[in-house]
Amino acid sequence: AQSVTQLDSQVPVFEEAPVELRCNYSSSVSVYLFWYVQYPNQGLQLLLKYLSGSTLVKGINGFEAEFNKSQTSFHLRKPSVHISDTAEYFCAATSSGSARQLTFGSGTQLTVLP
Amino acid sequence: DAGVTQSPTHLIKTRGQQVTLRCSPISGHKSVSWYQQVLGQGPQFIFQYYEKEERGRGNFPDRFSARQFPNYSSELNVNALLLGDSALYLCASSLVGVTNEQFFGPGTRLTVL
Repeated sequence: AQSVTQLDSQVPVFEEAPVELRCNYSSSVSVYLFWYVQYPNQGLQLLLKYLSGSTLVKGINGFEAEFNKSQTSFHLRKPSVHISDTAEYFCAATSSGSARQLTFGSGTQLTVLP
Repeated sequence: DAGVTQSPTHLIKTRGQQVTLRCSPISGHKSVSWYQQVLGQGPQFIFQYYEKEERGRGNFPDRFSARQFPNYSSELNVNALLLGDSALYLCASSLVGVTNEQFFGPGTRLTVL
């Protein structure tokens, strides 16, 4: 079964500083990876996804992630964060034949400080 | 276009009761999935339905059941509620195909007292 590990439960960072949120997944023949963001009292919004092809994936709001097969990682990065980026971020994975079952990590709370 | 809608927004029940949560997918989406998100954790997959048939089931007891209607809306039922069932229940809809994005609704917050 697929598993996803988010290594940091909380990441505080100052405004305009860079940030990296770490995610590791269990190896699978065909894995699809996603990053979602959840603002308080809201559902999940897709930031970006890796399906195949280029290992550097660009998403919305200036976020990007790099798929690293050898390290089974899919870390999320942003070069300069804003106060409005404060939210919970979830890494998720699925694989072909898994009936669209997303496996989520436990989440990382990103807090951007003024 | 309307996104995924869920009702009710909040719900309070007592132990042993039964609850029904509802989800309307985005127009044109035929696949609906349900997730449970306990406070402080990531969402956990409960069910996926496509064309009114169950296509996937997570590691949840038989107290949890669901169905999908001809208009592709869906209901999640939980019987004999336990305190541990308190959570945010998320519904997601998508087009056909494993790589298609799942669009999430705002969720139903269930509190079991």
